[in-house]
Amino acid sequence: DSGVTQTPKHLITATGQRVTLRCSPRSGDLSVYWYQQSLDQGLQFLIQYYNGEERAKGNILERFSAQQFPDLHSELNLSSLELGDSALYFCASSSLLGTGTSLSGANVLTFGAGSRLTVL
Amino acid sequence: SQQGEEDPQALSIQEGENATMNCSYKTSINNLQWYRQNSGRGLVHLILIRSNEREKHSGRLRVTLDTSKKSSSLLITASRAADTASYFCATLDTGFQKLVFGTGTRLLVSP
Repeated sequence: DSGVTQTPKHLITATGQRVTLRCSPRSGDLSVYWYQQSLDQGLQFLIQYYNGEERAKGNILERFSAQQFPDLHSELNLSSLELGDSALYFCASSSLLGTGTSLSGANVLTFGAGSRLTVL
Repeated sequence: SQQGEEDPQALSIQEGENATMNCSYKTSINNLQWYRQNSGRGLVHLILIRSNEREKHSGRLRVTLDTSKKSSSLLITASRAADTASYFCATLDTGFQKLVFGTGTRLLVSP
């Protein structure tokens, strides 16, 4: 157990629907990251939050949104689902905001077990 | 788009042999990390090497970094069947906080 909890583990839904994936970071970690892993796109960074604020954005579609709550858990909302959204969605956490240009600190991520989304 | 690309895409070896996988990246980095992923599971951090380091060891793992060539290699010595997994390099660029993953190498270690 990595300490990062993701629910649900598996989700099957239909095109056009909306789902919410939930992540509880490891105790003490303030940063939460969301990644999408599919066979054809590999592991894609979606978005990062630090202590409730959005800090970095990657290849996240407009149909997707996320937030981090005061208790530091995070939710990833996926709407108007398409077949191509079927993937493993990973949440990861770290204790650091990020190091920017500094060599001090290291942004090592702890991953959850993932939520497997199947869109039919 | 992916920052790093691993080579080879797949590697099949026998127990006891060494496994070497390579990673190339495109931009300046703060550090480079290697992660392992067992089939369908979450990624697990293995080792980190900073941009001012050239080599690092951890148990049976040896990582090298050549910033002039923008490349890194991961060597697993005396491999075991339990090492069967996908291995990803990840780079933390100097401008942003996000960690960007490569395409991965699938390693199969046969008993």
